[in-house]
Amino acid sequence: AQSVTQLGSHVSVSEGALVLLRCNYSSSVPPYLFWYVQYPNQGLQLLLKYTSAATLVKGINGFEAEFKKSETSFHLTKPSAHMRDAAEYFCAVSENTDKLIFGTGTRLQVFP
Amino acid sequence: DGGITQSPKYLFRKEGQNVTLSCEQNLNHDAMYWYRQDPGQGLRLIYYSQIVNDFQKGDIAEGYSVSREKKESFPLTVTSAQKNPTAFYLCASSIFPGEDYEQYFGPGTRLTVT
Repeated sequence: AQSVTQLGSHVSVSEGALVLLRCNYSSSVPPYLFWYVQYPNQGLQLLLKYTSAATLVKGINGFEAEFKKSETSFHLTKPSAHMRDAAEYFCAVSENTDKLIFGTGTRLQVFP
Repeated sequence: DGGITQSPKYLFRKEGQNVTLSCEQNLNHDAMYWYRQDPGQGLRLIYYSQIVNDFQKGDIAEGYSVSREKKESFPLTVTSAQKNPTAFYLCASSIFPGEDYEQYFGPGTRLTVT
């Protein structure tokens, strides 16, 4: 069965520092992977998705993620954090179905 | 302006009452979904619909019901049988059902039952 693990429910960085949010998946076949962002009391917005076209996926707002099959990982990174990046981030996986399985989320705090 | 509308944003009900949450989309998407979000638990799928007049249970369907009479509408009823209904509810849609189609989310409805 497919599943997603997000290590670290809270991550804090200083403005301008590297952002690294971790996501590991479990899947028996090549999965489709997604990163979503949620600002307080709002819905989710797609940051980027992996659909096997390229292992390094660039998304909106300067975020990118790299699919590493050997590590079953799809970590989200941004070279330089901005205050407006403070939000909750969700990794999700889909495998041969039309259902998404979400991780439990990582709340990113950005300090000035 | 295309998108997903959920109303109301905040909803308060007394225990034992049924309540219906609205979800409307004008994206012409075939598939629609309802999720429940609780702190620290991510999103859990309640029900989903791939086509009008058809829907399937998700992982936590007990105590909920849905209908899909129109392509653009997918209301969710939280019944009195749902033991812990207080949560943030999110509606989503995708152009087609399928593992590679992204889901678009509405702004959510926060339901509080006392």
